[in-house]
Amino acid sequence: DIQMTQSPTSLAASVGDRVTITCRASQYIDTYINWYQHKPGKAPKVLIYGASSLQSGVPRRFSGGGSGTDFTLTIASLQPEDFATYYCQQSYRTPRSFGQGTRVEI
Amino acid sequence: EVNLTQSGGRVVRPGGSLRISCEVSGFIFVDYDMTWVRQVPGKGLEWLSGINWSGARTSYADSVKGRFTISRDDAKNSLYLEMTNLGVEDTGVYYCARVQGAGGREFFDYWGQGTLVTVSS
Repeated sequence: DIQMTQSPTSLAASVGDRVTITCRASQYIDTYINWYQHKPGKAPKVLIYGASSLQSGVPRRFSGGGSGTDFTLTIASLQPEDFATYYCQQSYRTPRSFGQGTRVEI
Repeated sequence: EVNLTQSGGRVVRPGGSLRISCEVSGFIFVDYDMTWVRQVPGKGLEWLSGINWSGARTSYADSVKGRFTISRDDAKNSLYLEMTNLGVEDTGVYYCARVQGAGGREFFDYWGQGTLVTVSS
């Protein structure tokens, strides 16, 4: 099975900060990675698919990059509504594993 | 408008069984693969199972293989997860989601509101 490891597990940031979250796959996954935002009591929301494609309706301050085994999710200028937990997820192989999550807090 | 409406929360005893459901609307159900994801308290998201558009192919995480069964009823626009031999470690919020894309270029674009499953004596 493919293991997805995110770093950091949590971070403290302020409104306006640039934030970068990294995700490393335990084996090659090309660009078969997606990023989700999850807030307490709500359903997860896809932000980025295929490593760098922005899902419709998602603000352009979110961007993704990387290929192979190392990937990033960047929030260019953190907004109050962005405080949440972020997950990477690979779609290269079944089971479709998630990273352990990165909590972004004030 | 796409909607995925899940069944209500349930409490079940350890060793018990439960079926949860996800009724969809706003899109052609038979055109899409579907999946189940859960979040155990204090932990992250865990992919559990997937089913292809025809129901002919299913897949499971090792943690639930042999205990959980995914199925779909296209006439009822519904997705199901049959869970047996439940343990306290299965307590959590269960989400259904629509799979967008194909050939590995897949992601989960619409989600249900979640079903709280509590396994407790």
